[in-house]
Amino acid sequence: EAGVAQSPRYKIIEKRQSVAFWCNPISGHATLYWYQQILGQGPKLLIQFQNNGVVDDSQLPKDRFSAERLKGVDSTLKIQPAKLEDSAVYLCASSVAGGPYEQFFGPGTRLTVL
Amino acid sequence: QQQVKQSPQSLIVQKGGISIINCAYENTAFDYFPWYQQFPGKGPALLIAIRPDVSEKKEGRFTISFNKSAKQFSLHIMDSQPGDSATYFCAASRMDSSYKLIFGSGTRLLVRP
Repeated sequence: EAGVAQSPRYKIIEKRQSVAFWCNPISGHATLYWYQQILGQGPKLLIQFQNNGVVDDSQLPKDRFSAERLKGVDSTLKIQPAKLEDSAVYLCASSVAGGPYEQFFGPGTRLTVL
Repeated sequence: QQQVKQSPQSLIVQKGGISIINCAYENTAFDYFPWYQQFPGKGPALLIAIRPDVSEKKEGRFTISFNKSAKQFSLHIMDSQPGDSATYFCAASRMDSSYKLIFGSGTRLLVRP
């Protein structure tokens, strides 16, 4: 079974530039999550999708971050404009459904904002 | 109330020893407590999870102990191996928050050969 795919794996940008990350969840998984993991910290949920609807985006900085999950499969997370404090690993995860189920994480995208 | 506090920040154990990582929470509405293991350059992977209706769950060398009254839970790794060297995260979630995971700050474990 293929795992959660993410791209790119690494990205370096200047502050105020924009960047986009892509995630392909495990086939059949209805729930998709985007997490931000700052170095030395635990992952923090940014947004949770159930199929193509948003379940929770309470911690998404909506003035600069946006995310979509078209057709309930792939998802993209965008930052525009980026700030220095956005430097982190962005993790995508998926699960069969929302609930106390295992979340399968992708390898993440390491973003460096200079 | 949404925090999960994890300790220690780092841990060094000799091969064959017992590794113990502790977590504490405030919100009594939490009802699902997983532990995730993360290797460098990889995403976290579920190790073991527990619901508050049991006090202990064991899977192989990994055991979760859960103390509901103290609002604490811990991960015990028996017969620790160098391959267990990784960062471990506890987490908590609850039904009325769509089981959104609240992660602890992580414990970096090093098992010396």
